[in-house]
Amino acid sequence: AQSVSQHNHHVILSEAASLELGCNYSYGGTVNLFWYVQYPGQHLQLLLKYFSGDPLVKGIKGFEAEFIKSKFSFNLRKPSVQWSDTAEYFCAVKGTGGFKTIFGAGTRLFVKA
Amino acid sequence: DTAVSQTPKYLVTQMGNDKSIKCEQNLGHDTMYWYKQDSKKFLKIMFSYNNKELIINETVPNRFSPKSPDKAHLNLHINSLELGDSAVYFCASSQDSKNIQYFGAGTRLSVL
Repeated sequence: AQSVSQHNHHVILSEAASLELGCNYSYGGTVNLFWYVQYPGQHLQLLLKYFSGDPLVKGIKGFEAEFIKSKFSFNLRKPSVQWSDTAEYFCAVKGTGGFKTIFGAGTRLFVKA
Repeated sequence: DTAVSQTPKYLVTQMGNDKSIKCEQNLGHDTMYWYKQDSKKFLKIMFSYNNKELIINETVPNRFSPKSPDKAHLNLHINSLELGDSAVYFCASSQDSKNIQYFGAGTRLSVL
């Protein structure tokens, strides 16, 4: 069965610190991969996505993620976080042959000003 | 010009009541979804419709009944509400098989 595991439930960083949020998935076939972000009091929105090609994908607001197929991972990174990055981050996976997207449990990031 | 809109935004009700949440998308998407986000922020798919046809129906109590009158609308009706139904319910839509989803603002349901 498909599953998504996010390693950290809560992360606290100071501004300008570097960020890496881990995401591992379990699925036997080809996948589409996503990171969504939910800012406080707002709805989820797409941060970045991977469908095929270059495994290093860049998203909005300076975020990037790297797909490592051999590790079934899609970790999210940002070199220097800002206070406005405080949010909940969700990794999501969808098998290319199916309809269902599976979301991870989310990582709550708090950035101290 | 909100892309995916849900109403109401907040819903407070007593146990045993029946309530509905409405969702509309103006993106021209073919597929719509209902998710439940519990107090721990865990997001779980409940239902999905593609062109008014049910394509995903997760293990959800049959007190929950989705209805899609057309592909731009997906409503969620809940009968005999229970305390455990308290959560934020998100509607979403997507167009293609790659499934980039666009979410509504959520409906915070509180069952007292």
